[in-house]
Amino acid sequence: EIVLTQSPGTLSLSPGERATLSCRAGQTVSSNYLAWYQQKPGQAPRLLIYGASSRATGIPDRFSGSGSGTDFTLTISRLEPEDFAVYYCQQYGSSPRTFGQGTKVEIK
Amino acid sequence: EVQLVESGGGLVQPGGSLRLSCAASGFTFSSYSMNWVRQAPGKGLEYISHIGPSSNAIYYADSVKGRFTISRDDGKNSLYLQMNSLGDEDTAVYYCARHYTYFDYWGRGTLVTVSS
Repeated sequence: EIVLTQSPGTLSLSPGERATLSCRAGQTVSSNYLAWYQQKPGQAPRLLIYGASSRATGIPDRFSGSGSGTDFTLTISRLEPEDFAVYYCQQYGSSPRTFGQGTKVEIK
Repeated sequence: EVQLVESGGGLVQPGGSLRLSCAASGFTFSSYSMNWVRQAPGKGLEYISHIGPSSNAIYYADSVKGRFTISRDDGKNSLYLQMNSLGDEDTAVYYCARHYTYFDYWGRGTLVTVSS
């Protein structure tokens, strides 16, 4: 199975700042089938990005995804108060689908 | 509007069994694969099971293989997870998620606590 390693584990930033989250795969992710999810406390994960760079329906354009092969990035251009949460990457190009361990974006 | 609502969680003793349900609405349930994902307290997401349309493909993570059984009833628009021989390590929130290669819709989850 493909192991996904997210970094950093925690990102401490202020509202208005830029957040850059990394997801590195142990093997090439087929067809760049890489998704990002946001999870707030007590809530289910919400799909943000699929196909490495396509925003899901209703996701603000301050969220963007990039990367290919084994290295992927989620960027939040200007953090809003509601963006402080945990973010997970997932590869769905190979079975079994696997998740990264998550990056927590917290208020500095 | 797509909705997924899990139920059936609760407190169970080690070695016990529980059956989770996921009621789906707002889409043609029979056309989609479905998944179960769990999250232990304070931990990340663990993909544990998948079922294809018409139950034509089934997957279990090693951590639950031989103990959990996924099934679906397309007539009732429902997904199930039969969980047997439960241990402390199975304590988690269990989410059902619709499969569109990625997981595009998730339920709110149901909490399973294994404790004596």
